[in-house]
Amino acid sequence: DTAVSQTPKYLVTQMGNDKSIKCEQNLGHDTMYWYKQDSKKFLKIMFSYNNKELIINETVPNRFSPKSPDKAHLNLHINSLELGDSAVYFCASSQILGENTIYFGEGSWLTVV
Amino acid sequence: KNQVEQSPQSLIILEGKNCTLQCNYTVSPFSNLRWYKQDTGRGPVSLTIMTFSENTKSNGRYTATLDADTKQSSLHITASQLSDSASYICVVSEYNSGGGADGLTFGKGTHLIIQP
Repeated sequence: DTAVSQTPKYLVTQMGNDKSIKCEQNLGHDTMYWYKQDSKKFLKIMFSYNNKELIINETVPNRFSPKSPDKAHLNLHINSLELGDSAVYFCASSQILGENTIYFGEGSWLTVV
Repeated sequence: KNQVEQSPQSLIILEGKNCTLQCNYTVSPFSNLRWYKQDTGRGPVSLTIMTFSENTKSNGRYTATLDADTKQSSLHITASQLSDSASYICVVSEYNSGGGADGLTFGKGTHLIIQP
């Protein structure tokens, strides 16, 4: 069984569109995250969400917004997509905030054209 | 500013050989250090987590070391296999940061290629 699953795996879309990436974890973890990995393979935290508390990386544009319908899901909505948003987006989860092993999903490859 | 520097950036070795990857950090106060393996087209997978009091930790053919005084860690891979080809990412956690968005500092990774 996949621990952290995210869909879609690949997404190609035009500039200006709005898109969403869905994420679900079946590990019973309390905390979920979204990471962005750029073309240089550098992983960067975007959001963490724990017990309805959202911690945002201040460098993330407000076009990006996480939505958590319940503890097992954390979806990523992106409005008005730009070319620079092209990257791989990883969803992840951990038992508690920050201090335990973080389990990553397989990634969603977003290409904005 | 917290930083994690990894070296080398890329490494190519022959199958069966050993190699060592380096990680230097400036994160303070320190909580723990993790090594992740990321296969091409996949998400990172945890190899080890090391706390302040741990000097060495092994996971199969992977052995991580930590020197908290010099703020250095290494990941040694023994008898490399083709499946070891991946990026290896060092991640350092700041103590009592509350976790979340700014609790972890990621290195840029070392891209390892094992040639037959």
